[in-house]
Amino acid sequence: SQTIHQWPATLVQPVGSPLSLECTVEGTSNPNLYWYRQAAGRGLQLLFYSVGIGQISSEVPQNLSASRPQDRQFILSSKKLLLSDSGFYLCAWSSTGGGMNTEAFFGQGTRLTVV
Amino acid sequence: RKEVEQDPGPFNVPEGATVAFNCTYSNSASQSFFWYRQDCRKEPKLLMSVYSSGNEDGRFTAQLNRASQYISLLIRDSKLSDSATYLCVVNEGDTGFQKLVFGTGTRLLVSP
Repeated sequence: SQTIHQWPATLVQPVGSPLSLECTVEGTSNPNLYWYRQAAGRGLQLLFYSVGIGQISSEVPQNLSASRPQDRQFILSSKKLLLSDSGFYLCAWSSTGGGMNTEAFFGQGTRLTVV
Repeated sequence: RKEVEQDPGPFNVPEGATVAFNCTYSNSASQSFFWYRQDCRKEPKLLMSVYSSGNEDGRFTAQLNRASQYISLLIRDSKLSDSATYLCVVNEGDTGFQKLVFGTGTRLLVSP
């Protein structure tokens, strides 16, 4: 069966510090991968998605970047965190070519607080 | 205008009640639709897809009106365990990948 791992679960970082969140998927090949952010009281916002190794698409301009160094690894990074980067970060995957009603599976999320 | 709009609630209902959530979306080219459930401080999980003809899964019924760009979820015989936030989700991607656009969610509280 497929599983998605995301860590750390909770993170408190000072303003201006770097960030690296990692997500890995097991049990599937060539998944579509996604990073979402959920700010307090707001809906999930798609930040990045990737349809293959090294292929990253950004949905919104921001202080963050993403990379996909391996097929089932997706990394979210920042060189210098801002207070506004605080939120609940969720990695997700879906099957490639699964059709329009393919389910997206989410990791357990990282709750980031920038102080 | 938000791409996917939902009443944030909360909806406070007693056990056994029937409750309905509504959602509107702005992108008329959207092809697939879902309801996800999110428990407090947890990740979202798929509750059900929404099909044009309407579909039912146990106590849950989803409806889609493409002309009005309107989606609904009906929960019958509410249980305490139904307490959660219900997210209306629209897929603006294509067959190759899911570009899911989420509403802000409607919070449901079921009380004894």
